[in-house]
Amino acid sequence: GEDVEQSLFLSVREGDSSVINCTYTDSSSTYLYWYKQEPGAGLQLLTYIFSNMDMKQDQRLTVLLNKKDKHLSLRIADTQTGDSAIYFCAESQSNDYKLSFGAGTTVTVRA
Amino acid sequence: DTEVTQTPKHLVMGMTNKKSLKCEQHMGHRAMYWYKQKAKKPPELMFVYSYEKLSINESVPSRFSPECPNSSLLNLHLHALQPEDSALYLCASSPGTPIGNGYTFGSGTRLTVV
Repeated sequence: GEDVEQSLFLSVREGDSSVINCTYTDSSSTYLYWYKQEPGAGLQLLTYIFSNMDMKQDQRLTVLLNKKDKHLSLRIADTQTGDSAIYFCAESQSNDYKLSFGAGTTVTVRA
Repeated sequence: DTEVTQTPKHLVMGMTNKKSLKCEQHMGHRAMYWYKQKAKKPPELMFVYSYEKLSINESVPSRFSPECPNSSLLNLHLHALQPEDSALYLCASSPGTPIGNGYTFGSGTRLTVV
């Protein structure tokens, strides 16, 4: 979506960390999400962060939010071949049913 | 049960056919959604049902007709589709507005119109 932007591609070596970046324009965004989509599958919610938080960690995943710059990142530690997928950043606002998605970042993990 | 189940997984239909896509969830979610997704693109919202009432129609052509028979089921009736309607159709649900938990997506129906 035009309100959420992501880089389109990322190539990372197995075992390294991956960092996927996202910027959004709407300062009233309440929640920001990261979804993963593997080939032929639906979207899997990986994690989300509330707009009054700076960081959230969940096992290998770390989300950082810079609200001033409207910048969101997802770090995947010890990237594995199973992490190869398209990752979508999305945002929603209070009392709104719509999620605005970024274009998606295709992550390729090489041996 | 924490899943959204979509059937069929694949569908090939002619431009004069009538078919239906089905979606089911038993999580007690009160909002259900249809999205259309083209290859390597983000999902595009089509319809939102809230408490079994249509609350959002994103200017979708009338050849797509949604139906919500009850709080657990969502259908998408298809008629006189065009080849450009070929896509992955995703159903999703959320407890209410998606804040916090986002959506739970089904695995989709891959539709090919010939």
